[in-house]
Parts: sequence; structure tokens; C-alpha cells
Amino acid sequence: DVKVTQSSRYLVKRTGEKVFLECVQDMDHENMFWYRQDPGLGLRLIYFSYDVKMKEKGDIPEGYSVSREKKERFSLILESASTNQTSMYLCASSLPRLGPQHFGDGTRLSIL
Amino acid sequence: RKEVEQDPGPFNVPEGATVAFNCTYSNSASQSFFWYRQDCRKEPKLLMSVYSSGNEDGRFTAQLNRASQYISLLIRDSKLSDSATYLCVVLQNTGNQFYFGTGTSLTVIP
Repeated sequence: DVKVTQSSRYLVKRTGEKVFLECVQDMDHENMFWYRQDPGLGLRLIYFSYDVKMKEKGDIPEGYSVSREKKERFSLILESASTNQTSMYLCASSLPRLGPQHFGDGTRLSIL
Repeated sequence: RKEVEQDPGPFNVPEGATVAFNCTYSNSASQSFFWYRQDCRKEPKLLMSVYSSGNEDGRFTAQLNRASQYISLLIRDSKLSDSATYLCVVLQNTGNQFYFGTGTSLTVIP
């Protein structure tokens, strides 16, 4: 089975902090994704990556950056956390052009 | 216009009932289709892929209508454990970006 592991289930940070969310997958998938999910808004794509060191902006990249130095690891960075970034963050991976996506457990991030 | 649209519900049905969800997509070049299940405060989990000829997995049947650009999920003999949010997901022909519906909430009542 595909295993996607996110580093934290729950995280509390303060406004202005730099926050790192880590995601690791064990199935050698080329594609990796970061989403946030908010009530009533569904899943919104922040960034995705289709190869090492490659990244593409999703629908809501503002205030975020990503890093993919190794194929199995995709990091999401909140450069200067703000309260409107309080959300559930979900990482996913997939093979290219095939799907489906496999999700990690999610990180519930609260910015105070 | 949203890429993928779903009726958010909620659907409240008695145990044993049959319930159907529909989902429409806007891009006719979409190539792959999936149904996911998401429990409260958990991550989405793949329920089933949707194939052109339709497919069945136990009590669950998925269908694709390319001409009308919709996919459907039918749940027969509903169980309490089927209570969840069901998300339809579409992969477009570029192969890299998935589009999610906002989900349909189902509650199965004893």
C-alpha cells in the first residue's frame, strides 16, 4: 500500500513565524501535491511538483512556498504565518497521468 | 464555472436505503475519474475509480457519462458506517492536476 506520511497531525504556531510542513511518500511517485481544506471551500491546491526540484503553482500559492530536493519528500513552507492560514493541510502523491492520489493523514495547523 | 460540481446535500437516509450522488465536470478532455470518501476530520481515501463501462465494488456502483459529462455513485443497502462525505475527483488530460468537488454529505440513520 502507498504510504504518505505528514510530519505532524496537529501544530500550533504564532503569527509571523516561519512554518515547515513535511511530507514523505514511499511509492516512488513522481507527482506530489499540497492542499488546504476549509469548511465549505473543499480542497484547494496550493502547489504541486511533478519531479525533483520542479514545482507549479496551484490555485492559492500566495504566502506559501515549497521545496522538493528529493523525490520522496515535498515540503510546504509558510514564509510568515498569518491567522488566515489556519487550516487543515493535506499532502498527496500520485503517478503521472494516471492517478489516483493518495493522501497523508493531514496536519491541522492553528496560527495564533 | 467550477471544474467539478457536486450537490453538497446533506443526504439523510435510513439504513438499507439506496442513495445516488451525481457530479458534473466542465472539461470534456478530462480523462480519469474517482470517488473518494472522507470521514470527519480525516483525510480523503480512495473509494473507487470510475471506468468508462461502469464498475461495481460490492454495494457501490460508479458510472461515467461522457456525453453529459457527469459521474455517479450508487450505494445500495446503506450501512451506518457509510456516513461520510463523498468527493468526486477528475484528472484532466494534462495528467498532473486533479479537480475536486466540494463533497456530498451522507448520514445513514438507524
